[in-house]
Amino acid sequence: GAGVSQSPRYKVAKRGQDVALRCDPISGHVSLFWYQQALGQGPEFLTYFQNEAQLDKSGLPSDRFFAERPEGSVSTLKIQRTQQEDSAVYLCASSLGTASNYGYTFGSGTRLTVV
Amino acid sequence: DAKTTQPNSMESNEEEPVHLPCNHSTISGTDYIHWYRQLPSQGPEYVIHGLTSNVNNRMASLAIAEDRKSSTLILHRATLRDAAVYYCILRANNDMRFGAGTRLTVKP
Repeated sequence: GAGVSQSPRYKVAKRGQDVALRCDPISGHVSLFWYQQALGQGPEFLTYFQNEAQLDKSGLPSDRFFAERPEGSVSTLKIQRTQQEDSAVYLCASSLGTASNYGYTFGSGTRLTVV
Repeated sequence: DAKTTQPNSMESNEEEPVHLPCNHSTISGTDYIHWYRQLPSQGPEYVIHGLTSNVNNRMASLAIAEDRKSSTLILHRATLRDAAVYYCILRANNDMRFGAGTRLTVKP
């Protein structure tokens, strides 16, 4: 597709429920990133993939958060046993290359509300 | 992580130029300066980036100080559609961390 696609656009989960958020990056983009954005804040880095390899997961807030990109294209961010503090917009971005002079293309995000 | 400092908010009148400042006194020689903006209910959008020289594209211009410790994003004629949060970010390889950004309000 022309851009980064994320689904679902909105997700309401009951506390304790598991959720899975999907990201379809731009075809051919090597790098994929997940960010978490709380209301009124800038995006916070969660994790980074280069093709199928997860090279940095230092931003994942707890072991309840898990991300994968098994074939180097589509990625899924899974949150187990959701808590209210997990409520945020989850943004996915992809980049053609790995060098610092490549820009990122972001999706519109998935807004997760935990009730 | 190298950090950036931006004003929390700025206002501009429609059709006038806007200069959005960013300080990054701890920038290293390999850090690129990236600017993104985020419109309401959307993901961040790439605006422009540079290393040492000033850069121009169809959206904006980026002026980089000679010592690289500060930069300015220039919107030549602000429109109502430019109202957004603007983020100045130092990017080293695949490390790109956002701050709080500058919220730009454009008045008609």
